[in-house]
Amino acid sequence: GESVGLHLPTLSVQEGDNSIINCAYSNSASDYFIWYKQESGKGPQFIIDIRSNMDKRQGQRVTVLLNKTVKHLSLQIAATQPGDSAVYFCAENGGYGQNFVFGPGTRLSVLP
Amino acid sequence: ETGVTQTPRHLVMGMTNKKSLKCEQHLGHNAMYWYKQSAKKPLELMFVYSLEERVENNSVPSRFSPECPNSSHLFLHLHTLQPEDSALYLCASSSGTGSYEQYFGPGTRLTVT
Repeated sequence: GESVGLHLPTLSVQEGDNSIINCAYSNSASDYFIWYKQESGKGPQFIIDIRSNMDKRQGQRVTVLLNKTVKHLSLQIAATQPGDSAVYFCAENGGYGQNFVFGPGTRLSVLP
Repeated sequence: ETGVTQTPRHLVMGMTNKKSLKCEQHLGHNAMYWYKQSAKKPLELMFVYSLEERVENNSVPSRFSPECPNSSHLFLHLHTLQPEDSALYLCASSSGTGSYEQYFGPGTRLTVT
């Protein structure tokens, strides 16, 4: 079946540095993507989304980039803070009306 | 109370027990979901309900039985589970099925002994 995967299972960054979390997807029919953050003991929390008619979207300290040519999605976090430590998941919708498929997640650790 | 709530937060049960997980959403959404989250595996979709009707059953064993009495409540009834069913069970809701942001509850950490 179609799958969503992550290049790096863990990522450690210094506090104040920028973080980049990557995601590869395989379903070319996917037209909506979401990044979720999951802190320990909590459910996934929406961070930012992007539709396939865009290649970049910015939020507060976060930016999502979409490269449909190579089926690649990335999440950039500016000035990473200790509170950003969590597991980050990407999800693709597999096309209109389909259910989301989630990637395995990347654990982000922020070093003091 | 706002958002998506789940009870209990933690559950330990034997393989012969029967228990139920409860989910409630206070967002006015029409779709609700059950997911299973195991260590080192991606989130696995189990069931999808839209307007209280089950629209997807993702090849889940019959020892898991969902129930959606109304658009705000979702249950997962458990019986004769196996140790490999130990996982975090997450409930989510969204405005509709498909390309809508899903809001997740905190999950129920289930341990089957």
